[in-house]
Amino acid sequence: DAGITQSPRHKVTETGTPVTLRCHQTENHRYMYWYRQDPGHGLRLIHYSYGVKDTDKGEVSDGYSVSRSKTEDFLLTLESATSSQTSVYFCATYADRSSYEQYFGPGTRLTVT
Amino acid sequence: GNSVTQMEGPVTLSEEAFLTINCTYTATGYPSLFWYVQYPGEGLQLLLKATKADDKGSNKGFEATYRKETTSFHLEKGSVQVSDSAVYFCALAHSNYQLIWGAGTKLIIKP
Repeated sequence: DAGITQSPRHKVTETGTPVTLRCHQTENHRYMYWYRQDPGHGLRLIHYSYGVKDTDKGEVSDGYSVSRSKTEDFLLTLESATSSQTSVYFCATYADRSSYEQYFGPGTRLTVT
Repeated sequence: GNSVTQMEGPVTLSEEAFLTINCTYTATGYPSLFWYVQYPGEGLQLLLKATKADDKGSNKGFEATYRKETTSFHLEKGSVQVSDSAVYFCALAHSNYQLIWGAGTKLIIKP
């Protein structure tokens, strides 16, 4: 267990409101990722971070921003939530450059009404 | 570019049946290959992996062999249990510390 927590675990919000999801890890892993999981699409990478204040876009980054001011925290922000962003969001960390193994948090279920 | 293709689900089997979930990949070089499992309501967790051709990964009775000649990494288990019901994801390691994911295969085991 890599000690990854996500908050909140469930959230319902209205279209147009800002939303921030938090990922917290206790393992001092350098790399962190945000994915979304939708039926028929598997996992899609939103953004990732390769160090404090170092982030990059994934394949579905439009409408999302991230920040990483500390090694242990990686925040995902939806500036103005839309119904298409209703999804389950997973945070993951990457521990070992030689193994590529990723560890996942429990997920956040976000519903945008 | 790199990609992973998995068989579509759901796959429905009876308890004690033999399981195969197909996974094929397209990649340059020889990337590491993975199977992850997601139980209901949980995040993904690594099930097994293989880092080079002909390697066999195994865990919890599941096995997969890295076949370079057929670019495949099929997941197998000889006798499935109800507790194996989950979504299974095949993935390959990308050069910039990312994983390329298959779409996932839902497995349903009936008692």
